[in-house]
Amino acid sequence: DAGVTQSPTHLIKTRGQQVTLRCSPKSGHDTVSWYQQALGQGPQFIFQYYEEEERQRGNFPDRFSGHQFPNYSSELNVNALLLGDSALYLCASSFLSAGVRSYEQYFGPGTRLTVT
Amino acid sequence: AQKVTQAQTEISVVEKEDVTLDCVYETRDTTYYLFWYKQPPSGELVFLIRRNSFDEQNEISGRYSWNFQKSTSSFNFTITASQVVDSAVYFCALSEALGSGGGADGLTFGKGTHLIIQP
Repeated sequence: DAGVTQSPTHLIKTRGQQVTLRCSPKSGHDTVSWYQQALGQGPQFIFQYYEEEERQRGNFPDRFSGHQFPNYSSELNVNALLLGDSALYLCASSFLSAGVRSYEQYFGPGTRLTVT
Repeated sequence: AQKVTQAQTEISVVEKEDVTLDCVYETRDTTYYLFWYKQPPSGELVFLIRRNSFDEQNEISGRYSWNFQKSTSSFNFTITASQVVDSAVYFCALSEALGSGGGADGLTFGKGTHLIIQP
């Protein structure tokens, strides 16, 4: 049973560029959440997708956008990259079963983004 | 707004010692969920435990135990007889229920406690 997978593992971009990160949820999971973890900090919630719609959003600017596909995989897009966007980007998945959503979120290994 | 505070930035103990990681939270909701996650050097967050706000029963799982006290808004984590493999960053997190449909959503994390277990 494959867990949450993310690609790429590492990425280096230049300030002002755009980046797309990808996430495939754990088998059987239909909800994907994205988090940003700066060095030495706890993860910060960016947004969550369910049924291909953004369901909840944290305190992040519109430069951060996302998408969920019919197969439940998801993308995180960041436009006009800033040096401060350098971080580990984590994807987490959860599921809806018998009308109740799971509370636990299962995390992927993350994508390390470096903006120079 | 919700907030999680982990006042201990780093703790270093010798193997086999007991260690407690503190977590204090703030929320205006009456229904919420508390979590502990472990982040080893590999970076992947590993789920350890979830506790609902309406269930204050403490829990023990092997060498791990959790003490949830609503009166002090604390959810502390104790490792008994620590081992070198316990070395990691530990995060406490909080989530509020959205309402109908159940479940919890975006997690609010503390800044983490770096636990170092020396042999």
